[in-house]
Amino acid sequence: LAKTTQPISMDSYEGQEVNITCSHNNIATNDYITWYQQFPSQGPRFIIQGYKTKVTNEVASLFIPADRKSSTLSLPRVSLSDTAVYYCLVGEVNRDDKIIFGKGTRLHILP
Amino acid sequence: EPEVTQTPSHQVTQMGQEVILRCVPISNHLYFYWYRQILGQKVEFLVSFYNNEISEKSEIFDDQFSVERPDGSNFTLKIRSTKLEDSAMYFCASTLERGTYNEQFFGPGTRLTVL
Repeated sequence: LAKTTQPISMDSYEGQEVNITCSHNNIATNDYITWYQQFPSQGPRFIIQGYKTKVTNEVASLFIPADRKSSTLSLPRVSLSDTAVYYCLVGEVNRDDKIIFGKGTRLHILP
Repeated sequence: EPEVTQTPSHQVTQMGQEVILRCVPISNHLYFYWYRQILGQKVEFLVSFYNNEISEKSEIFDDQFSVERPDGSNFTLKIRSTKLEDSAMYFCASTLERGTYNEQFFGPGTRLTVL
């Protein structure tokens, strides 16, 4: 499993775009990049997954450069309800049988 | 939208007692998981379950823990003799396809307090 590094915490204001970057220098050819979100006292929730370039859904965008050694989760126009912990995960789809969560990035949105 | 449900939401027990945490995974999912999160710490994998047997388990999942799918809908985690350090949130998850990097759907959790 490729190790990931992401900031421990971030603050932002309502209405701003938030970008959380994750480093994964040892990513393997078959690895995908997945982000989960966890609100306080709730289970983690899948946000987005990608392999290369850019992926966008109704919640977020995921930017992956050509070398795939990092990725950036982008949350457009955040609100107070986006306050949560965001986890970056790297691993091979259809192989690993468990999620190894790191400490994630604790995002705090201020009014 | 289908969701994973867990009961109870909060369980308080005395040290040494047995507890059973219950989960109802999404109905057509085939792979099931338990994770736990001690307050303020990371989410930790406990066990994965497929085709009525354990696929993988972590070091945390010792002989005091067991899992079962007693019928077509429930998935349970039993702790035989609880310890103080078992106090945590326990999350059940399920997925349709093998591999945790497919989307896993997590339940709301059961908060276990061991006194």
